[in-house]
Amino acid sequence: KNEVEQSPQNLTAQEGEFITINCSYSVGISALHWLQQHPGGGIVSLFMLSSGKKKHGRLIATINIQEKHSSLHITASHPRDSAVYICAVSTGGSEKLVFGKGMKLTVNP
Amino acid sequence: SQTIHQWPATLVQPVGSPLSLECTVEGTSNPNLYWYRQAAGRGLQLLFYSVGIGQISSEVPQNLSASRPQDRQFILSSKKLLLSDSGFYLCAWSGTGGGYTFGSGTRLTVV
Repeated sequence: KNEVEQSPQNLTAQEGEFITINCSYSVGISALHWLQQHPGGGIVSLFMLSSGKKKHGRLIATINIQEKHSSLHITASHPRDSAVYICAVSTGGSEKLVFGKGMKLTVNP
Repeated sequence: SQTIHQWPATLVQPVGSPLSLECTVEGTSNPNLYWYRQAAGRGLQLLFYSVGIGQISSEVPQNLSASRPQDRQFILSSKKLLLSDSGFYLCAWSGTGGGYTFGSGTRLTVV
């Protein structure tokens, strides 16, 4: 079993839909990261959180430390949101990351 | 502001040839530096990390090595590439607070 599990693995949505991406982890963490990877491969850090909730534009990330679960929500989705969304956890010390396999999101116009 | 430079963007190398990928960071000092690899159809995996000059930790046994000759320079090398070394290589750094910044990546194809 992977230390970081994401669901679903793939998701196709229509423009405007509300999207939720889930992440569960099985290890103690210092922080959880949500990352976005575009087709060219470049990765952008969206959120780093260790408790509660963060919001940036149409993106909302939440984490439940007790349940070892995090969700990334996209409101009013748009085709430009199409990307792979990756959940990763850092376990303290050197802050090295353990990654989930990612979820490929396609938003159709 | 902090930036990270990684090059080259793409590379095609024959089996048995050497490899050198370079990553440099600007605008910060004493960062933690990382090399990650993403093989086709798989998630990212940590290869090496460094918490200071000359300090390298390897996460998985492999055909690659890393060096940190200067505070803001991290190099990934191989003496003889294997087909299995193909993949997407990402350099990253983290500072105090744990926030991460990623390089733009190098897509390596070993033929």
